[in-house]
Amino acid sequence: EILLTQSPGTLSLSPGDRATLSCRASQSINSNYLAWYQQKPGQAPRLLIYGASNRATGIPDRFSGSGSGTDFTLTISRLEPEDFAVYYCQQYGSSPLTFGGGTKVEIK
Amino acid sequence: EVQLVESGGGLVQPGGSLRLSCAASGFTFSSYAMNWVRQAPGQGLEWVSAISGSGGNTFYADSVKGRFTISRDNSRNTLFLEMNSLRAEDTAVYYCAKDYITVAGSFFWNWGQGTLVTVSS
Repeated sequence: EILLTQSPGTLSLSPGDRATLSCRASQSINSNYLAWYQQKPGQAPRLLIYGASNRATGIPDRFSGSGSGTDFTLTISRLEPEDFAVYYCQQYGSSPLTFGGGTKVEIK
Repeated sequence: EVQLVESGGGLVQPGGSLRLSCAASGFTFSSYAMNWVRQAPGQGLEWVSAISGSGGNTFYADSVKGRFTISRDNSRNTLFLEMNSLRAEDTAVYYCAKDYITVAGSFFWNWGQGTLVTVSS
């Protein structure tokens, strides 16, 4: 099973700041099969990024994904008020599908 | 517009059973694998089970293998999760999630709003 470790656990930033979230895998992820989700309180997760760097439909271009192998990054170029939420990475390169523990982006 | 609506959650005693349903609309249901993903209160996400578009292949997390059964009725555009021998640690919001592909084992393009299962005496 591939373990995903997200860091930091909490990121305290202000609107307009740049956010950099990390997701590290315990072993190399096949074909960069990594996705990122956003979850707000009381809501279901929403797909942001798949294939490490492809934005899902309707996702603003301030969200970008990068990385390969075992190290992946989600970057939010300029935080908007609606971006404060919890972010999860998920790998689908091997079974079982696994998620990271999440990074909370909170208002400073 | 894709819609996934879960139902069937509730309070059940340890050792009991529950059946969750997920009604799908807005897409060709049989063309996509479907999944159940759960989230314990205040915790992260855990993939539970997946089923291929045809229903011929099913997959389970080790934590539920032998206790949960996933199935689908493509004529009714509905996904199911039969949960037996429930434990306190099964307490969670259960989400129905549409896969990106037919064969299962991908990422989750759309999610339902979730249904809460509470296992407690």
